[in-house]
Amino acid sequence: GENVEQHPSTLSVQEGDSAVIKCTYSDSASNYFPWYKQELGKGPQLIIDIRSNVGEKKDQRIAVTLNKTAKHFSLHITETQPEDSAVYFCAAGSNFGNEKLTFGTGTRLTIIP
Amino acid sequence: NAGVTQTPKFQVLKTGQSMTLQCAQDMNHEYMSWYRQDPGMGLRLIHYSVGAGITDQGEVPNGYNVSRSTTEDFPLRLLSAAPSQTSVYFCASSIGTDYEQYFGPGTRLTVT
Repeated sequence: GENVEQHPSTLSVQEGDSAVIKCTYSDSASNYFPWYKQELGKGPQLIIDIRSNVGEKKDQRIAVTLNKTAKHFSLHITETQPEDSAVYFCAAGSNFGNEKLTFGTGTRLTIIP
Repeated sequence: NAGVTQTPKFQVLKTGQSMTLQCAQDMNHEYMSWYRQDPGMGLRLIHYSVGAGITDQGEVPNGYNVSRSTTEDFPLRLLSAAPSQTSVYFCASSIGTDYEQYFGPGTRLTVT
């Protein structure tokens, strides 16, 4: 089955700096890669996703890049703000055959004011 | 829309007891799933359903049962609770695995 590895497990950055979280996946059939943000005491919430026919996607301060050949994808947050502090999860899934979404182990991001 | 609702929010069980975690969604989503979240292990899929009457196992199904008699509801049953099932449980629903998963607020379960 699919295996998703996520690094780092914790990340602290100064407010205003950029943060990068990286994930690798194992199943070349995976073609959907979402990122979720989880605030304390709440369920995860989708912040951005990318499909395998696209190399990069951006939404304001958040961007995701995908390298299908290397089987890795990354989340980039620019101009970080205190409200970006949360746990972030990457995931990999497919709309063909495999009806499961596999999550990474999470990154706890702390923004230092 | 209420989205995805889960009950209860908190539960303490003794080893060997059984219980059902409730999950309901009002978005007419076909795909529903249950995850458990443990420190350092992310979200692990327990069971999922692609529609009423259809369920399948995820990564960690042992000790759990599910059924899907309606589109709206997807209860998770713990047959005989064990301390290893102490975790936070999340239910999610979506159009499909390659679309946004809408998560419930979670149930924190402690088994003593």
